[in-house]
Amino acid sequence: AQTVTQSQPEMSVQEAETVTLSCTYDTSENNYYLFWYKQPPSRQMILVIRQEAYKQQNATENRFSVNFQKAAKSFSLKISDSQLGDTAMYFCAFMKGNDYKLSFGAGTTVTVRA
Amino acid sequence: NAGVMQNPRHLVRRRGQEARLRCSPMKGHSHVYWYRQLPEEGLKFMVYLQKENIIDESGMPKERFSAEFPKEGPSILRIQQVVRGDSAAYFCASSPRDHLEQYFGPGTRLTVT
Repeated sequence: AQTVTQSQPEMSVQEAETVTLSCTYDTSENNYYLFWYKQPPSRQMILVIRQEAYKQQNATENRFSVNFQKAAKSFSLKISDSQLGDTAMYFCAFMKGNDYKLSFGAGTTVTVRA
Repeated sequence: NAGVMQNPRHLVRRRGQEARLRCSPMKGHSHVYWYRQLPEEGLKFMVYLQKENIIDESGMPKERFSAEFPKEGPSILRIQQVVRGDSAAYFCASSPRDHLEQYFGPGTRLTVT
């Protein structure tokens, strides 16, 4: 079974600053996908970014970027120019290739301060 | 194109009652997944369904829980004889053929008193 670990329960960041969320995972698979999901107070789960393990290039979506270190099994999320609307819980998730089950970490609560 | 719809958003049941949670997938999506989120935890996979078929229910408790996705109508997650430990948020996701594109609904928060 795959395990996903998010070691930071809570993080706080000043508006317009940068924050980095850590995620590590354990797998023996070579083909897999990694995700970051955002869960704001409304509780709606929103996909932020996705990374294919076979791609060396780190994924980027506007102010969100990842640092994917395959050998270290690390997948961190960087939020640049933080905005108040980024306040949410962020979940790291894993999916094996050719599978359909997402395995989630416990989440990191991010609070952006004005 | 409306997103994934779940109702009710909040459901309160007494111990021993039945809970029925509904999920309408996005238009054109034939795959439905149910996940459960216990307090302070990430989501855990419960069951994966296609129209009229349960593909994988390995994450679902063997007793009291059942799921269906009929040919017509929403997918239903049914919990019989609820207990306090069933209190959680239940999320439904749907996807087209590509499982990577799972779109989540807003969830149903079940409280068992």
